[in-house]
Amino acid sequence: SQTIHQWPATLVQPVGSPLSLECTVEGTSNPNLYWYRQAAGRGLQLLFYSVGIGQISSEVPQNLSASRPQDRQFILSSKKLLLSDSGFYLCAWSSGLMNTEAFFGQGTRLTVV
Amino acid sequence: AQSVAQPEDQVNVAEGNPLTVKCTYSVSGNPYLFWYVQYPNRGLQFLLKYITGDNLVKGSYGFEAEFNKSQTSFHLKKPSALVSDSALYFCAVRGDYTNAGKSTFGDGTTLTVKP
Repeated sequence: SQTIHQWPATLVQPVGSPLSLECTVEGTSNPNLYWYRQAAGRGLQLLFYSVGIGQISSEVPQNLSASRPQDRQFILSSKKLLLSDSGFYLCAWSSGLMNTEAFFGQGTRLTVV
Repeated sequence: AQSVAQPEDQVNVAEGNPLTVKCTYSVSGNPYLFWYVQYPNRGLQFLLKYITGDNLVKGSYGFEAEFNKSQTSFHLKKPSALVSDSALYFCAVRGDYTNAGKSTFGDGTTLTVKP
């Protein structure tokens, strides 16, 4: 069966510090991978998605970047965090088929202080 | 472009009563519709989906949803609510022409079931 791992679960970082959140998927090949941010327990904003190794698409301009160094690894990064980067970050994957649901990681609560 | 509207931020029901969480959508081509549930500080969990066929879709934990093409709606329902159903519910849509399988999510509806 497929599983998705996302870590860390919580993170408190000072303004101006770097960020690296990691997400890995097991039990599937060539998944579509996504990073979402959820503000204040409400709607999800798609930040990045990837359909293959090294292929990253950004949905919104921001202080963050993403990379996919391996087929089932997706990393969210920042060189210098801003206060506005605080939020709940969710990694997800889906197959390449249009009729399949997405599977989400447990999320990372990032607080920038 | 695709969009989802969940018109109610909050739905309150008494335990044992039926519940409905509303969702309307807009998408190009055929819609693929999904419901997810989120518990506090957790990721989203898939509940059910409509792809094609029967307009009434049954999913996990006794939930079901009815696809209505003319009203572009996909309301989530359960005949008898449980206190443990209290959570944040998201409707999502994806269309035939959606790039990379990206789903658009609604803003979520908080369901509170009171004993």
